[in-house]
Amino acid sequence: GAGVSQSPSNKVTEKGKDVELRCDPISGHTALYWYRQSLGQGLEFLIYFQGNSAPDKSGLPSDRFSAERTGGSVSTLTIQRTQQEDSAVYLCASSIRLAGTYNEQFFGPGTRLTVL
Amino acid sequence: RKEVEQDPGPFNVPEGATVAFNCTYSNSASQSFFWYRQDCRKEPKLLMSVYSSGNEDGRFTAQLNRASQYISLLIRDSKLSDSATYLCVVNALIGGGFKTIFGAGTRLFVKA
Repeated sequence: GAGVSQSPSNKVTEKGKDVELRCDPISGHTALYWYRQSLGQGLEFLIYFQGNSAPDKSGLPSDRFSAERTGGSVSTLTIQRTQQEDSAVYLCASSIRLAGTYNEQFFGPGTRLTVL
Repeated sequence: RKEVEQDPGPFNVPEGATVAFNCTYSNSASQSFFWYRQDCRKEPKLLMSVYSSGNEDGRFTAQLNRASQYISLLIRDSKLSDSATYLCVVNALIGGGFKTIFGAGTRLFVKA
């Protein structure tokens, strides 16, 4: 079956530009997560959507970062006025159950963002 | 102190060796625990969940010690294909909601 997909797979942009990263979760999964991973580092939590509840935005590093999830499915992570330190792999994951339970998260292949 | 701590390694072991990874977590309200595996330049994938009673899946055994806030992963009879980064993952109750916290990972290299 179809897994989590993300687009684009690679994005190179200039400092100061805005970028949008897209995530298509597995159909029927109620929870959706965004993480970022810098080279050789662990995963940094960004934001978590759970069903129709307000998202947990506590991991967003600055107000330049925002995300939305339309219709409980597709999610878009937007980074405004990109900076070089935003360069990382942005990973999206979805799970059928909410966090706190034994919820396997299925990850997409990630979007590699490079800010020049 | 990090919320989830792992020895970064790398662990370099010969094929057939037994290797153990440890992980400690700081939040006593943690509810569920996992080991994920991440291959180089790939996304993480669930290796196994970790239950209070401990659990085994083939060559892999996971243990949880809630009193010590400690999780372990044991790999027996290591294969070349086990070379990867192993991520300790905890779901913890923080600020009224659950958060998934990933450790930075332990790198394993299995050599012929």
